[in-house]
Amino acid sequence: EIVLTQSPGTLSLSPGERATLSCRSSQSVSSSYLAWYQQKPGQAPRLLIYGASSRATGIPDRFSGSGSGTDFTLTISRLEPEDFAVYYCQQYGSSSWVFGQGTKVEIK
Amino acid sequence: QVQLVESGGGVVQPGRSLRLSCAASGFSFSSYGMHWVRQAPGKGLEWVAVIWYDGSNKYYADSVKGRFTISRDNAKNTQYLQMNSLRAEDTAVYYCARDLVYCSGGSCYSGAYGMDVWGQGTTVTVSS
Repeated sequence: EIVLTQSPGTLSLSPGERATLSCRSSQSVSSSYLAWYQQKPGQAPRLLIYGASSRATGIPDRFSGSGSGTDFTLTISRLEPEDFAVYYCQQYGSSSWVFGQGTKVEIK
Repeated sequence: QVQLVESGGGVVQPGRSLRLSCAASGFSFSSYGMHWVRQAPGKGLEWVAVIWYDGSNKYYADSVKGRFTISRDNAKNTQYLQMNSLRAEDTAVYYCARDLVYCSGGSCYSGAYGMDVWGQGTTVTVSS
């Protein structure tokens, strides 16, 4: 079973700063199967990135994804006030889907 | 617009059953795989189950296998989650989500790439 480990657990930054979130998989899989989501309190998750680096429809270009093998990164180039939220990575493998435990990006 | 609306949540005693529904609108429901994802209070996301666009394949998380059944009625643009033998640890917000289909170079792909449309969720509480 794939295990996704996200780090850090919490990221404290100011608006305008750069955020770098990490997602490490216990197994190497195709980068095509790696996605990132944003979730704000009381809301459903929103797809940000699929295929490790492709932005979903309507996602601003300050969000970017990269990585391969077992190590993936979500970067927010300049944090806007609406970007403070929890971010989850997700990976598909062997007919199941796994989420990481999440990284909270909070205002410093 | 594209929309998913869950219903059927509530408070239920351990060991009892509940059926959730997810009504889709604004897109060709019969062309998409559909998922259920849950989130326990204060916790992260947990994938629960998926059903292929035509109902031909269904997969479950180990935590619900044998107790939950996913199904769909394409004529009604609705998917379902039948939950039996409920446990306290099944307490969560249950989200319905559409499987991402993306097209590139004249071919389209689905089944492993993400979930691009989500409902607002329905809350299930298992408690005596």
